[in-house]
Amino acid sequence: EIVLTQSPGTLSLSPGERATLSCRASQNIGSTSLAWYQQKPAQAPRLLIYATSSRATGIPDRFTGSGSGTDFTLTIFRLEPEDFAVYYCQQHGRSPYTFGQGTKLESK
Amino acid sequence: QVQLQESGPGLVKPSETLSLTCSVSFGSISGYYWSWIRQPPGKGLEWIGFIFYSGSTNYNPSLHSRVTMSVDMSKNQFSLNLSSVTAADTAVYYCARDVMASNYFDLWGQGALVTVSS
Repeated sequence: EIVLTQSPGTLSLSPGERATLSCRASQNIGSTSLAWYQQKPAQAPRLLIYATSSRATGIPDRFTGSGSGTDFTLTIFRLEPEDFAVYYCQQHGRSPYTFGQGTKLESK
Repeated sequence: QVQLQESGPGLVKPSETLSLTCSVSFGSISGYYWSWIRQPPGKGLEWIGFIFYSGSTNYNPSLHSRVTMSVDMSKNQFSLNLSSVTAADTAVYYCARDVMASNYFDLWGQGALVTVSS
C-alpha cells in the first residue's frame, strides 16, 4: 500500500497570501496519479486537482498542482476566505487508492 | 446535475452487518465505477472499494474479507455491506463516482454517519 504523508499538519495564513501544501508518497507514483480534495466542516470532499496538475471543473486557477515521483505540491495563490479548509491528497495510480492524513489551512 | 444520496441505518450493533445504499439521481449508473469511502469522526479518508456497473469489484485488502458491494441497475443504485462491525467501523460513509476508471472521485454523496454501538 502506498502511504501518503502531508505537511504541514496545520498552516496558518491570511487572505491574500500564498499557501503551499506538500504530499509525499512512500513509493514513486509517477507524474499523473495524484489528486487533491478540499473538505469543509460537515461537507463531503470536493475534487480540486487530478492527474497531478489538471484542475477539476469549476475550480479557479489560483489552485495549482505540481510534482512527480514521490513529491507533490498544491499551491493556492492569493487565498480567499472560502479557501480555509482541510486539504487531502490521494494517489489514484495503484490500488488500494490511498489518501494523506490532511492539512488544515486556517485563517491567521 | 447528477446527485448521489446515501441511505441506511445510522446505528448498527457490534458483530452485525452494516448496510448502505447509494441512489444515483439525474444520471445513469451505467458506464461508471462507483466507490465507497469512509471517514471516522475527526480523521482522514479511507477508500473501501469500487463496483463497476456491470458488477465487477475491487476491494481494499484491509477490509476485503468483510466487504460486499452490489449494483441494482433497475433502481439506479449500488450498495455496501460490511460484516462483523466493531466500534472502529464508526464513520461517515460516502459514496462517490470514479471518473472513467481513473480512480479519483469527482462526485460525492453528502455522507451517512454510521455508529457501531450496542
